[in-house]
Amino acid sequence: DTGVSQNPRHKITKRGQNVTFRCDPISEHNRLYWYRQTLGQGPEFLTYFQNEAQLEKSRLLSDRFSAERPKGSFSTLEIQRTEQGDSAMYLCASSLGSSDGGIQYFGAGTRLSVL
Amino acid sequence: TQLLEQSPQFLSIQEGENLTVYCNSSSVFSSLQWYRQEPGEGPVLLVTVVTGGEVKKLKRLTFQFGDARKDSSLHITAAQPGDTGLYLCAGARWTGANNLFFGTGTRLTVIP
Repeated sequence: DTGVSQNPRHKITKRGQNVTFRCDPISEHNRLYWYRQTLGQGPEFLTYFQNEAQLEKSRLLSDRFSAERPKGSFSTLEIQRTEQGDSAMYLCASSLGSSDGGIQYFGAGTRLSVL
Repeated sequence: TQLLEQSPQFLSIQEGENLTVYCNSSSVFSSLQWYRQEPGEGPVLLVTVVTGGEVKKLKRLTFQFGDARKDSSLHITAAQPGDTGLYLCAGARWTGANNLFFGTGTRLTVIP
């Protein structure tokens, strides 16, 4: 068990470019979450998957953002036409669900800088 | 609008001192978790409290969940430089909730 893995750790891009991040959850976890954290703030919920189904999306997830979890294992988060306001740490978490109290385990995050 | 407010926002203390961090809300939570986050890393879970009035101790850290399940506190005894970090409280509105609401965070610096 290697924990939640996120790639890349850092991404620098120019405004208007598309970026994609990957999250590999803990292997037996069926729930996967994406959060965004800006400097000096706590993480904010973006979206949630149970297996391959995306069951909840925050209003923060604009139509430039799309997340997938095609086989119920790893997930990708894509941001199209990036804006400077998208600069943040993007965190992925996974959990077993309510069977263990819904405890979420976080990855180290991908830090995005939009120039 | 933050559902969970933490205080203080910043705290700088000398090694050996005690401190308390507060996490308050007007909303009820089914459970509340405390995380510590190092720069450039994701949050690491410290404890989960689920029962109103519950007190949990982890070595020098004491966590309390308010009776009404709207607030929580983290007390650190004899702080050490290794305790330095961002402390975050996070609440689940109901059992099995799909997302956590995070507090604003308390950045602790322990000076040797």
